[in-house]
Amino acid sequence: DAKTTQPPSMDCAEGRAANLPCNHSTISGNEYVYWYRQIHSQGPQYIIHGLKNNETNEMASLIITEDRKSSTLILPHATLRDTAVYYCIVRVMDTGNQFYFGTGTSLTVIP
Amino acid sequence: DAGITQSPRHKVTETGTPVTLRCHQTENHRYMYWYRQDPGHGLRLIHYSYGVKDTDKGEVSDGYSVSRSKTEDFLLTLESATSSQTSVYFCAARAVAGVRNEQFFGPGTRLTVL
Repeated sequence: DAKTTQPPSMDCAEGRAANLPCNHSTISGNEYVYWYRQIHSQGPQYIIHGLKNNETNEMASLIITEDRKSSTLILPHATLRDTAVYYCIVRVMDTGNQFYFGTGTSLTVIP
Repeated sequence: DAGITQSPRHKVTETGTPVTLRCHQTENHRYMYWYRQDPGHGLRLIHYSYGVKDTDKGEVSDGYSVSRSKTEDFLLTLESATSSQTSVYFCAARAVAGVRNEQFFGPGTRLTVL
């Protein structure tokens, strides 16, 4: 699976959009981009995933560049409960093996 | 959370003692995983299972063994615990089919080896 690069930390004002970048320049054509988050010592939680089209669900939006070498997770109206570590992962959909979580981005939402 | 529980949730043990952590799931997921999480390293995969009695190593498997005799249970064993195995351990499960192909995580087990 391709490696990802994320900034170690970010701040965001409450109520504003949080834009979390991820670089995955070695991504292969059949690898999906997944985002998970981990809120203070809990198990990680799935947020969203995509292949090449932009995706939106009730939690977030995922914007993938046309060359697929980077993506951005957008939390449209950040709340204090969104303070967490966010992991960007790329992997092939149908394999059973591991997700490489890396160290993620620690997002702090500031009141 | 796909009905994933871990036991015990906290454990303190001494160097050299055997330790077994249990992961139990109620959704009949095929794949199960054990991760450890340490400061500065994120989550790292220890072992995973792709079916009953079918397991494989992850990136940090040394000092750990696993067993899966039933679909719902995945055991992680430290044969002789060391202080370097002090960590938070997370279990996860994933179904074969499904649009999201996501992993569901348990609440974690905090293990301290003195």
